[in-house]
Amino acid sequence: DVKVTQSSRYLVKRTGEKVFLECVQDMDHENMFWYRQDPGLGLRLIYFSYDVKMKEKGDIPEGYSVSREKKERFSLILESASTNQTSMYLCASSLGGSDPHYEQYFGPGTRLTVT
Amino acid sequence: AQTVTQSQPEMSVQEAETVTLSCTYDTSESDYYLFWYKQPPSRQMILVIRQEAYKQQNATENRFSVNFQKAAKSFSLKISDSQLGDAAMYFCAYKAGEYGNKLVFGAGTILRVKS
Repeated sequence: DVKVTQSSRYLVKRTGEKVFLECVQDMDHENMFWYRQDPGLGLRLIYFSYDVKMKEKGDIPEGYSVSREKKERFSLILESASTNQTSMYLCASSLGGSDPHYEQYFGPGTRLTVT
Repeated sequence: AQTVTQSQPEMSVQEAETVTLSCTYDTSESDYYLFWYKQPPSRQMILVIRQEAYKQQNATENRFSVNFQKAAKSFSLKISDSQLGDAAMYFCAYKAGEYGNKLVFGAGTILRVKS
């Protein structure tokens, strides 16, 4: 079974703090993703990585950065957390897009509250 | 840009009954994939069913089936013999073409199952 794990289920941070969210997958997937989930908005892609050290901006990258130094690990960084970044953050991984059985596998999510 | 619309924020179904969740999408591509994902309360999101646009036959997975209307750009999910464990948020998602890596999600539909 594919396993995607995230470092924290719940996180409370103060405005202005630097926040690191970690994601690890154990299936040697090329692709990793960070999403933000908000009620009524569904999942919005923040950043996508298709290989080690490679990244691509998603739909809402402002205020976020990412790091992928190893294939299995993808980190989301909030350089200076703000209250409007309070949200559920989901990590996912997948094989390449040409896989006929393409599927994204999701982690359990991190509910981040910025006060 | 592709968009996915789920017009039903919430739906309810009686246990053992059938329910249909709606999804429409907009794309100019002819080759794409469509997905339904399930997110149970406090649990990880999982894939329910996948449909390739080039296949005319509607996908089926046990009690879950889709009604794929390519010309109408409609992709509804039918859940037969609903069970309490089907209660969840359901997301419709789109992936472009054979080499597309990213999913575009709808806003989600909360499904409540009444006993």
